[in-house]
Amino acid sequence: GAGVSQSPSNKVTEKGKDVELRCDPISGHTALYWYRQSLGQGLEFLIYFQGNSAPDKSGLPSDRFSAERTGGSVSTLTIQRTQQEDSAVYLCASSLAGGQIGELFFGEGSRLTVL
Amino acid sequence: GENVEQHPSTLSVQEGDSAVIKCTYSDSASNYFPWYKQELGKRPQLIIDIRSNVGEKKDQRIAVTLNKTAKHFSLHITETQPEDSAVYFCAARAAGNKLTFGGGTRVLVKP
Repeated sequence: GAGVSQSPSNKVTEKGKDVELRCDPISGHTALYWYRQSLGQGLEFLIYFQGNSAPDKSGLPSDRFSAERTGGSVSTLTIQRTQQEDSAVYLCASSLAGGQIGELFFGEGSRLTVL
Repeated sequence: GENVEQHPSTLSVQEGDSAVIKCTYSDSASNYFPWYKQELGKRPQLIIDIRSNVGEKKDQRIAVTLNKTAKHFSLHITETQPEDSAVYFCAARAAGNKLTFGGGTRVLVKP
């Protein structure tokens, strides 16, 4: 019955290291989104998963970013060789339907700081 | 792809006054336009949405209008209260269900 769960809530890493961010969507939600929110900025689309369809990766800023969704549920966003400009809050959201998508339910986000 | 512009970026209003936030979108195929509110340090939450077959929708002190011809939509908050202070995001959904957000409007309601 819980909402969207993200971990870790905070991550501090050194430049050049890889990081993994995890998202557990609401059970039964077939659509899953990743967004990035830099300090005081808007919500930047990264990637969208819908059921078994090929994901929409059009928002990934570089090939250092990748994401997967296993079994249509949990998703992991991986950032390789992190850079300081990757510092942001990474928000995951899930939604019940794909064809007539409605409300997105956001997680609390994972705050990434790259030193 | 879809591009959503949102204005103003900041808005300061006196308690009890109205607040209006405007958004424009680029993809004429977009058919769903939600608004999200993000309070400080919290996650964005849906406050109201409108679909392309409707021109206006109201929910208590909040209303949204949509002009498909001009490709713009607006959020209206009447009788603003301190708890309305937050960042508001508009969004548009085009083909493929990708939801594109505007840059956000920081609203400050002064008591």
